[in-house]
Amino acid sequence: GAVVSQHPSWVICKSGTSVKIECRSLDFQATTMFWYRQFPKQSLMLMATSNEGSKATYEQGVEKDKFLINHASLTLSTLTVTSAHPEDSSFYICSASAYYEQYFGPGTRLTVT
Amino acid sequence: DAKTTQPNSMESNEEEPVHLPCNHSTISGTDYIHWYRQLPSQGPEYVIHGLTSNVNNRMASLAIAEDRKSSTLILHRATLRDAAVYYCILRTRPGGTSYGKLTFGQGTILTVHP
Repeated sequence: GAVVSQHPSWVICKSGTSVKIECRSLDFQATTMFWYRQFPKQSLMLMATSNEGSKATYEQGVEKDKFLINHASLTLSTLTVTSAHPEDSSFYICSASAYYEQYFGPGTRLTVT
Repeated sequence: DAKTTQPNSMESNEEEPVHLPCNHSTISGTDYIHWYRQLPSQGPEYVIHGLTSNVNNRMASLAIAEDRKSSTLILHRATLRDAAVYYCILRTRPGGTSYGKLTFGQGTILTVHP
């Protein structure tokens, strides 16, 4: 299957700082990218959907000013967690889609101290 | 979004077949049935998907009921590496405002015994 990478795989940051997570589709052009968040022992929760060159569409309850998404090209999307707080600590997973197929990255573990 | 219902957990012995059920009684005509699995601390992995006909690939088989209100993922010979959370998801056809997004439920935790 297609490969989607995320960087970093884990990050620890101090409360109040911002963290950027990159998501890349390595061997295909992704028309749409998705960002998910997963808390321990819970399922994945969709945060937002983005198309290349367009503003992201956020799910209800997700703060768009806190979770900034940029989808600058067909192979790269970034999620920036601004002014991070301990409750933002979670496993963040991106997904890249080329029409019918959708592939997931390995995830980024964010810990805010 | 149309929802799916799966058992919370199932157990199997190694090298035996596993049948993972999924109910989706509110499925619409354009919904695809997707299965993904997730190992701990990893992103989900695509397993298989189908629309109306049964599907086979190197990982598994997908049996879809004639009325499409249920489906079964079949692992023909379970291995220890198949132990994971399996998600049955209805995916809308890409296009329009939904962009074919995947909405995950709680999934089925599959335990495989040696």
